[in-house]
Amino acid sequence: KAGVTQTPRYLIKTRGQQVTLSCSPISGHRSVSWYQQTPGQGLQFLFEYFSETQRNKGNFPGRFSGRQFSNSRSEMNVSTLELGDSALYLCASSLAGRVADTQYFGPGTRLTVL
Amino acid sequence: KQEVTQIPAALSVPEGENLVLNCSFTDSAIYNLQWFRQDPGKGLTSLLLIQSSQREQTSGRLNASLDKSSGRSTLYIAASQPGDSATYLCAVENYGGSQGNLIFGKGTKLSVKP
Repeated sequence: KAGVTQTPRYLIKTRGQQVTLSCSPISGHRSVSWYQQTPGQGLQFLFEYFSETQRNKGNFPGRFSGRQFSNSRSEMNVSTLELGDSALYLCASSLAGRVADTQYFGPGTRLTVL
Repeated sequence: KQEVTQIPAALSVPEGENLVLNCSFTDSAIYNLQWFRQDPGKGLTSLLLIQSSQREQTSGRLNASLDKSSGRSTLYIAASQPGDSATYLCAVENYGGSQGNLIFGKGTKLSVKP
């Protein structure tokens, strides 16, 4: 069974640009969560999608958005990039996003903002 | 607000040693606690998940314990090997928290010297 895949693996952008990251969950998983990992703040929850609906959102500005498609694949978008958005972005999938469902993480997308 | 702390931030041990990693959390109302491993530049691999009703979980050389009342968990690694070198993260999922929202500690970076 294929794991969670994320594309691209690496991205370099400049301030003010926007970026779209993609996440393909494990087959059969319907919940996708996104996390941002930085050396200073560690791993922080961005948002979670289930059946094409955003169910929960972390404490991030509106420049961070996402969506989920009918095949459960998810994208996240960051507009008007800032230097502080440089981070490893991880997505995780689970069967239904219920509490205690194990989350399986992808390898991440490393975003560098210059 | 739930806060998760991991001590120490870094640990270096000789191969073969048994070791303990610590995780503490401020709010004992958790559904579960999970230990992850992260290799440099990579995503997270789930090691052990302990439900709130459980006291410990074991997998191979790994044993994780949970004491909800004191807000503590430990990850015990027996007979450490150089391949165990990685960052170990613990994460909790709260009652009443967002589905898919894990709250992470900042990790313990383990180095096992041959």
